[in-house]
Amino acid sequence: QVQLQESGPGLVKPSETLSLTCTVSGYSISTGYYWGWIRQPPGKGLEWIGSIFHRGSTYYNPSLKSRVTISVDTSKNQLSLKLSSVTAADTAVYYCARDQGVTTFEGFDSWGQGTMVTVSS
Amino acid sequence: DIQMTQSPSSLSASVGDRVIITCRASQSISSYLNWYQEKSGKAPKLLIYTASSLQSGVPSRFSGSGSGTDFTLTISSLQPEDFATYYCQQSYSIPITFGQGTRLEIK
Repeated sequence: QVQLQESGPGLVKPSETLSLTCTVSGYSISTGYYWGWIRQPPGKGLEWIGSIFHRGSTYYNPSLKSRVTISVDTSKNQLSLKLSSVTAADTAVYYCARDQGVTTFEGFDSWGQGTMVTVSS
Repeated sequence: DIQMTQSPSSLSASVGDRVIITCRASQSISSYLNWYQEKSGKAPKLLIYTASSLQSGVPSRFSGSGSGTDFTLTISSLQPEDFATYYCQQSYSIPITFGQGTRLEIK
């Protein structure tokens, strides 16, 4: 059974770069699927940040594209998220998740438990 | 971007009730519509994918229907553990977008 675990700083200063890692166990990222990041500001709904195919193709939300980088490290079975020039509006719970589609997006079937990131000086 | 609009935004119901939540897309998304259940402090859980396919392990009282722009999630007989927030999500085109959520509360 695949398991995902986010890690990274819980507090980031404004204008700095938010960096998170998602460690995957029970499945090799290099085998397949799309892997994504989703966030949820306190008291608000879900926002898709972006996804990466196991072979490296990336897809980003245009609203964040200029600030986001998603990558995979197959040797460590991890995916990472970098979000630059953060502001208070980037304060949210950040989730990593696996999309169960093989060639298309068909729903995120496995999620990490989420990690709260606060942007504040 | 494809806008996803859920209705109602909140709903009060009783155990045993049949509940229907609707989701409308701003343009056709074929059947690329997924439903999630979110409980406080927990990650969302995939219930229904591609509009009507029941995710493995999800009780059969949950069902989904629709195609194009209009979709529904039906809970045939509410159980105490079903009180949560439900989100629809389109995976037809980038950016992937979610509805604003429907909060299901106990009457």
